[in-house]
Amino acid sequence: KAGVTQTPRYLIKTRGQQVTLSCSPISGHRSVSWYQQTPGQGLQFLFEYFSETQRNKGNFPGRFSGRQFSNSRSEMNVSTLELGDSALYLCASRPFPGGRLDEQFFGPGTRLTVL
Amino acid sequence: KQEVTQIPAALSVPEGENLVLNCSFTDSAIYNLQWFRQDPGKGLTSLLLIQSSQREQTSGRLNASLDKSSGRSTLYIAASQPGDSATYLCAVELNSGYALNFGKGTSLLVTP
Repeated sequence: KAGVTQTPRYLIKTRGQQVTLSCSPISGHRSVSWYQQTPGQGLQFLFEYFSETQRNKGNFPGRFSGRQFSNSRSEMNVSTLELGDSALYLCASRPFPGGRLDEQFFGPGTRLTVL
Repeated sequence: KQEVTQIPAALSVPEGENLVLNCSFTDSAIYNLQWFRQDPGKGLTSLLLIQSSQREQTSGRLNASLDKSSGRSTLYIAASQPGDSATYLCAVELNSGYALNFGKGTSLLVTP
């Protein structure tokens, strides 16, 4: 069974631009979560989607948004990029939120550099 | 707000040693706790998941324990190998279906 895939793996953007990252969950997983990882703050939760609906949202500004498609693939978008948005963005999937099968599986991440 | 702390931040041991990584959390009413491994510049690999009703989980040379009342979990690695060198992260899920709260990790180096 293929794992969680994220594209692209690396991105370089300049301040003020916008960016879209993509995540394909493990087959059969319908819940997708996004996390931002920086050296200073560690891993921080961005949002979670299930059945094309945002279930939870972390403490990030409105410039960070996401969506989920009917095939469970998810995208996140960051508009008006700032230098502080440089980070590793990780996507995680699980069959559904809560329940017995709670283990989350992470993708390799997208490394975003904002210049 | 759930705070997750991992001690030590970094650890260097010679190959073959048994070692213990510590994780503490402030809110004992957790739903589950998960240990991950992260290699430099890579994503997270799930190692062990402990449900709140469980006391420990084992996988190969790894054993994780959970003591909710004291707000602690430990990851025991037996007979460490250079390939175990990585950052180990612990994360707690406060309630079913909620987000993971991560510690900052322990960076482990196992020297030949």
